[in-house]
Amino acid sequence: DAKTTQPTSMDCAEGRAANLPCNHSTISGNEYVYWYRQIHSQGPQYIIHGLKNNETNEMASLIITEDRKSSTLILPHATLRDTAVYYCIVRVFNTNAGKSTFGDGTTLTVKP
Amino acid sequence: NAGVTQTPKFQVLKTGQSMTLQCAQDMNHEYMSWYRQDPGMGLRLIHYSVGAGITDQGEVPNGYNVSRSTTEDFPLRLLSAAPSQTSVYFCASSWGQGNSPLHFGNGTRLTVT
Repeated sequence: DAKTTQPTSMDCAEGRAANLPCNHSTISGNEYVYWYRQIHSQGPQYIIHGLKNNETNEMASLIITEDRKSSTLILPHATLRDTAVYYCIVRVFNTNAGKSTFGDGTTLTVKP
Repeated sequence: NAGVTQTPKFQVLKTGQSMTLQCAQDMNHEYMSWYRQDPGMGLRLIHYSVGAGITDQGEVPNGYNVSRSTTEDFPLRLLSAAPSQTSVYFCASSWGQGNSPLHFGNGTRLTVT
């Protein structure tokens, strides 16, 4: 699976959009981008995933560049409860999710 | 559905002791995995299983054993605990097909003195 690069930390004001970038310049055509978050040492929680089209669900939006070498997770109206570590990973379609490699992620701090 | 259940939540061991961390899922998932997370760091894959009777090593398998006798259970065994194994251990599961994401338990916090 391709390696990802994320900033170590980011801050965001409460109520504003949080935009978390991820670089995956070696991504292959059959690799999906997944985002998870981990709140205060709980088990990580799945947020969203996508291949090449932008995706949106009740938690967030995922924007993937046309060349697929980077993506951005958007939390449209960040709250204090969104303070967490956010992980971006890539995985080949229809393969064992349990082999996913997690890096150190981005620590997002939402401030009042 | 309980999801992924890990027991115990906390454990303290002395160096050289053995123990088993339990993981059970009630979602009939084929794939199960064990990760460890050291303070301030990301998750590292220890062992994983693609189905009952099938296991394989991840990034950091040394010092740990696993077995998968049923679809539901995937225990992690520490044969002779070392202080370097002090960590938080997470179990995860997922469907075997398509884009299924991982479902994680809430972890076991292990301290080895």
